[in-house]
Amino acid sequence: AQKITQTQPGMFVQEKEAVTLDCTYDTSDQSYGLFWYKQPSSGEMIFLIYQGSYDEQNATEGRYSLNFQKARKSANLVISASQLGDSAMYFCASMNTGFQKLVFGTGTRLLVSP
Amino acid sequence: DGGITQSPKYLFRKEGQNVTLSCEQNLNHDAMYWYRQDPGQGLRLIYYSQIVNDFQKGDIAEGYSVSREKKESFPLTVTSAQKNPTAFYLCASSIDGGGDRGEQFFGPGTRLTVL
Repeated sequence: AQKITQTQPGMFVQEKEAVTLDCTYDTSDQSYGLFWYKQPSSGEMIFLIYQGSYDEQNATEGRYSLNFQKARKSANLVISASQLGDSAMYFCASMNTGFQKLVFGTGTRLLVSP
Repeated sequence: DGGITQSPKYLFRKEGQNVTLSCEQNLNHDAMYWYRQDPGQGLRLIYYSQIVNDFQKGDIAEGYSVSREKKESFPLTVTSAQKNPTAFYLCASSIDGGGDRGEQFFGPGTRLTVL
């Protein structure tokens, strides 16, 4: 069974600074994917970034990058140059390749202050 | 514009009543999913469908039912057997039910409150 752990219930960061949101995962599968989603107060889940277990390079999407450390089973999200609009809940999720069940962590609430 | 729509946005139900939540997508995705989110929690999978006329139970299917008669539509019925139905319900879709990447795209959600 897969399990996602997000140990930071809340994080604070000042505008324009970088922030790292932690995520560790537990899976016995060799092939899997890791995802980060953003959930603003409106409730919709917005896909941010994906990392495949066989990808050798860390994924990047604009200001988002995923710090993937396979041996440590961690997949931390790094947001560079934080903006006020980044204030939201952030969820880490995993999926076994070929079986489309997403398993979510409990999330981290990020607050960006001016 | 392609996307996923859910209706209604807010839904109130009396105890003992069944209620159906709508989910429609025009992304031509094969797979669709229903998740439940409780306060302070992540999402939990209720049901999913990889193809029309077929669906499977997720982790918390008890008290819920679904149908998949059309590719675009995946309605969820919350039955009176669901003991604690007050929650935020999210529908999602992905290109197919298997594959290497498989990111899921979500609708805006329906907030159900049982009075």
